[in-house]
Amino acid sequence: DAKTTQPPSMDCAEGRAANLPCNHSTISGNEYVYWYRQIHSQGPQYIIHGLKNNETNEMASLIITEDRKSSTLILPHATLRDTAVYYCIVRVPNAGGTSYGKLTFGQGTILTVHP
Amino acid sequence: GAVVSQHPSRVICKSGTSVKIECRSLDFQATTMFWYRQFPKKSLMLMATSNEGSKATYEQGVEKDKFLINHASLTLSTLTVTSAHPEDSSFYICSASDRGTKGYTFGSGTRLTVV
Repeated sequence: DAKTTQPPSMDCAEGRAANLPCNHSTISGNEYVYWYRQIHSQGPQYIIHGLKNNETNEMASLIITEDRKSSTLILPHATLRDTAVYYCIVRVPNAGGTSYGKLTFGQGTILTVHP
Repeated sequence: GAVVSQHPSRVICKSGTSVKIECRSLDFQATTMFWYRQFPKKSLMLMATSNEGSKATYEQGVEKDKFLINHASLTLSTLTVTSAHPEDSSFYICSASDRGTKGYTFGSGTRLTVV
């Protein structure tokens, strides 16, 4: 399984963009990059995912480098409610018949948004 | 969007008793569900993968006789912690995958305290 490396913590001022990096240098060609976040004592929340192209949705943007060895999650205008642990995960290709493989979580980045 | 309901959210039980946690997909059929546990200030650890109508696949080091998983229908998976002990106290989270969604949806988690 491809492993991911994230900084343990980051700070961001409210209203500014939060850029969370992730290294996944051993990612294989058919593995996707997923981002989730977990607010204290809640289940993880899906943010965004991508394979090779940059992606954007109502929550965030995902920038994947051309060699796919790293990516950056961008929260364009961080709010206090964005304070959470952010996980960058590479999906394990499933060997069975279903379309989705298991997700393995690393330690994530604790993002603290301050006023 | 896809919703996963997990119950109970909190449970306190005595040592030696068993506790059942339910995970339901409310608006989609979940052919595969995942069970995680999380200790304070730690990341999520995958315990097992359950596939509807077949036996669960447990991760290395997880006792299958202690953590019984049943996935009898496409919308319900249960995790039973048998003969619970204080060291089983943890945050348990389920997740479901569906070919029609963009990723994985997580339940809100169950805080188990064994006294």
